Amino acid sequence: EAQVTQNPRYLITVTGKKLTVTCSQNMNHEYMSWYRQDPGLGLRQIYYSMNVEVTDKGDVPEGYKVSRKEKRNFPLILESPSPNQTSLYFCASSPGRYTGELFFGEGSRLTVL
Amino acid sequence: GENVEQHPSTLSVQEGDSAVIKCTYSDSASNYFPWYKQELGKRPQLIIDIRSNVGEKKDQRIAVTLNKTAKHFSLHITETQPEDSAVYFCAASKGGSYIPTFGRGTSLIVHP
Repeated sequence: EAQVTQNPRYLITVTGKKLTVTCSQNMNHEYMSWYRQDPGLGLRQIYYSMNVEVTDKGDVPEGYKVSRKEKRNFPLILESPSPNQTSLYFCASSPGRYTGELFFGEGSRLTVL
Repeated sequence: GENVEQHPSTLSVQEGDSAVIKCTYSDSASNYFPWYKQELGKRPQLIIDIRSNVGEKKDQRIAVTLNKTAKHFSLHITETQPEDSAVYFCAASKGGSYIPTFGRGTSLIVHP
């Protein structure tokens, strides 16, 4: 089954404790991206990747890191989480720059205390 | 960069009524305009999209219209049903550099 898988789905952590949210897709998609969703603010892009070893900042990259060492994986790293990073996070992928549709993962709800 | 404005933020209708959600974009080079539906607790999913070479596209009860001159596009849902209740997001992007910018979303509530 074609899918984008995120883990963990739910996480409560404390300020400053490094964490990683994993994202994996099995559709051989070139493009992957991370979004955060906050009430009233919609979907804001954090980082995106056009292909392996190619990453770039989105609209709200501060406090986040990413890597794209393999085509299927695109982890989101919070080196020192803060309460303002409490949010719902979505990973998404797309076949390539001309094909349009984004396929989203199920989301990861993160709470930073 | 691209800026997408979406209105209204909340829309409440009676079952069977029509619903219209409007978006404007700022970058005249944008040429791909998808709409995503996010049901409560679920992931966003594409419901319809339109490219800049057409002015309207329909799929059963939903349709999207695009006015390139005015830089706005709209989602039309006819004969609304309770299962249409969800948050709807519009987006805009440019081919060759697929980085979609999303609107802030519209919460559609369909009352039985």
